[in-house]
Amino acid sequence: KNEVEQSPQNLTAQEGEFITINCSYSVGISALHWLQQHPGGGIVSLFMLSSGKKKHGRLIATINIQEKHSSLHITASHPRDSAVYICAVRSSTGNQFYFGTGTSLTVIP
Amino acid sequence: DGGITQSPKYLFRKEGQNVTLSCEQNLNHDAMYWYRQDPGQGLRLIYYSQIVNDFQKGDIAEGYSVSREKKESFPLTVTSAQKNPTAFYLCASSIGRVGYNEQFFGPGTRLTVL
Repeated sequence: KNEVEQSPQNLTAQEGEFITINCSYSVGISALHWLQQHPGGGIVSLFMLSSGKKKHGRLIATINIQEKHSSLHITASHPRDSAVYICAVRSSTGNQFYFGTGTSLTVIP
Repeated sequence: DGGITQSPKYLFRKEGQNVTLSCEQNLNHDAMYWYRQDPGQGLRLIYYSQIVNDFQKGDIAEGYSVSREKKESFPLTVTSAQKNPTAFYLCASSIGRVGYNEQFFGPGTRLTVL
């Protein structure tokens, strides 16, 4: 069983749609990260959260510590948002890092 | 321009050879990390380092070795003891304590062992 589960695994959306990607985790955490990986393999850190909500442009990330759940929202999606989105957590009990397998997003013009 | 670089982008080696992957950052970050990515799997931590001359094993350190002789450099050696070395390798760095801050990733090195 993975410590971090993401859903859906694959997502196709029409340009302009509102998108939600979910992440559930089973361990106590000190921080949760959302990462974006483009087809070439490069990874960009989008957010680091330990509570509440963060917004950056069209991207919003929320976390509910009690429910061990986080969501990444993309408003007004665009084809350039097409990428793999990865949820990762750092455990609160040591230097353990756990990564989800990613959600592959394709936004069609 | 500040950033983190990995070289080469693609690397081919024969089975049984050791190979060293380069990772350099000029962000003045304290912490550095090496991850491995395989198709259909999440990233897995190989080694991490908080400061110069200090490094710790991650989840899958067997068959790998690292060094941290300079703050800006964290090379990874894939030894012949690593049973399945073909993978995509990513280096990252962050300020402050390991895992507590945003990580900046390099472009990755795709290693293929023939």
